[in-house]
Amino acid sequence: AQSVAQPEDQVNVAEGNPLTVKCTYSVSGNPYLFWYVQYPNRGLQFLLKYITGDNLVKGSYGFEAEFNKSQTSFHLKKPSALVSDSALYFCAVRDRAKGGSYIPTFGRGTSLIVHP
Amino acid sequence: DTGVSQNPRHKITKRGQNVTFRCDPISEHNRLYWYRQTLGQGPEFLTYFQNEAQLEKSRLLSDRFSAERPKGSFSTLEIQRTEQGDSAMYLCASSSEGEQFFGPGTRLTVL
Repeated sequence: AQSVAQPEDQVNVAEGNPLTVKCTYSVSGNPYLFWYVQYPNRGLQFLLKYITGDNLVKGSYGFEAEFNKSQTSFHLKKPSALVSDSALYFCAVRDRAKGGSYIPTFGRGTSLIVHP
Repeated sequence: DTGVSQNPRHKITKRGQNVTFRCDPISEHNRLYWYRQTLGQGPEFLTYFQNEAQLEKSRLLSDRFSAERPKGSFSTLEIQRTEQGDSAMYLCASSSEGEQFFGPGTRLTVL
């Protein structure tokens, strides 16, 4: 079974400050990990993914995420937040184990609010 | 625009009516997914197609819900005898091997 947790319903940060949105996961094998962003009344938009290789993954709009296998985490980060980053962020996981599902499991989402 | 498209974008219906939504995936993607999303929640999996074959359905999907992808291209999701609890955003996504690409969604309101 696969699962993902986003422990924070909301993250507040001042513009220009670094931001972190947390995600932890559980899979039986190795994970595919994804971050998506959703703006109001829109579908989800892909930000970045981890499959293998470097633990630090860089994605769209200056976002990056760090894969930590020992802590089973994949936190989303950005060095300097913009007001326009305010949105809903979803972490998702897929199990790469043989026989694993092609269907990712999504977290409940974290609302990021960047204050001017 | 070569992204995933969904029609209609909004649907208001009365309880007990049937509704059908359409999804046009990215043309080279063989995998297609339907999700439901309610306020404050992440996307909830409904069903998955690989080409024209429906390979997985959520146990949460009642028999009032049916989906097709007859030629392995576009897909339809039908809800029969709608209930107020069906009110939600219905999202379609497509993929090849990696990340999913989502459509804008169809917002269903059941009165």
